[in-house]
Amino acid sequence: QVQLVQSGAEVKKPGASVKVSCKASGYTFTDYYIHWVRQAPGQGLEWMGWINPNSDGTHYAHKFQDRVTMTRDTSINTAYMELSRLRSDDTAVYYCVRVVQIVGGLFDYWGQGTLVTVSS
Amino acid sequence: DIQMTQSPSSLSASIGDRVTITCRASQSISNYLNWYQQKPGRAPKLLIFAATSLQSGVPSRFSGSGSGTDFTLTISGLQPEDFTTYYCQQTYSTFITFGGGTKVEIK
Repeated sequence: QVQLVQSGAEVKKPGASVKVSCKASGYTFTDYYIHWVRQAPGQGLEWMGWINPNSDGTHYAHKFQDRVTMTRDTSINTAYMELSRLRSDDTAVYYCVRVVQIVGGLFDYWGQGTLVTVSS
Repeated sequence: DIQMTQSPSSLSASIGDRVTITCRASQSISNYLNWYQQKPGRAPKLLIFAATSLQSGVPSRFSGSGSGTDFTLTISGLQPEDFTTYYCQQTYSTFITFGGGTKVEIK
């Protein structure tokens, strides 16, 4: 069965960076894009960008363009999202999502989420 | 970026009711509209894709309609497990955006 298993919760200080991993199993990793979505406490969903594990191509939301880096390691079927220069309002649950490229994209399988807390 | 406006932000209903949630796009998005359900502490779950298509395994009481800028999610016969939050999402633009969410509460 398709699974996306994310790394554990993180606590970071303002100005630091965080790198979240997302290990895929149950399907061919390079056949599907991985997107990242975050959700601040009590708030809605916010799309951050994607990586194409096959080509290593990336596309980021305007808001994160200068602070986010998405990478992958095909040898271990894992995608990564690194966010730098963290601020308190980056405190959120970060999700990786497998996306089927149909009609713009179907977010069909989600990781369990990784809570990132930014606090001094 | 395309703005997605959901309404209402919350609603109260009873078990067995039919409820409708609307989502309006700031520009035409054809049928590139998906709906998700999210329960507290859980990842979202895809319900409807391409505005009207039911995702495999989703109960038939969920349905979607619309195209262009105006879309609706209808739940016909609310069940106890349906009292939670719903989001729309546009994938027409390469800059994907979500609606603000609608929380369905028990009356």
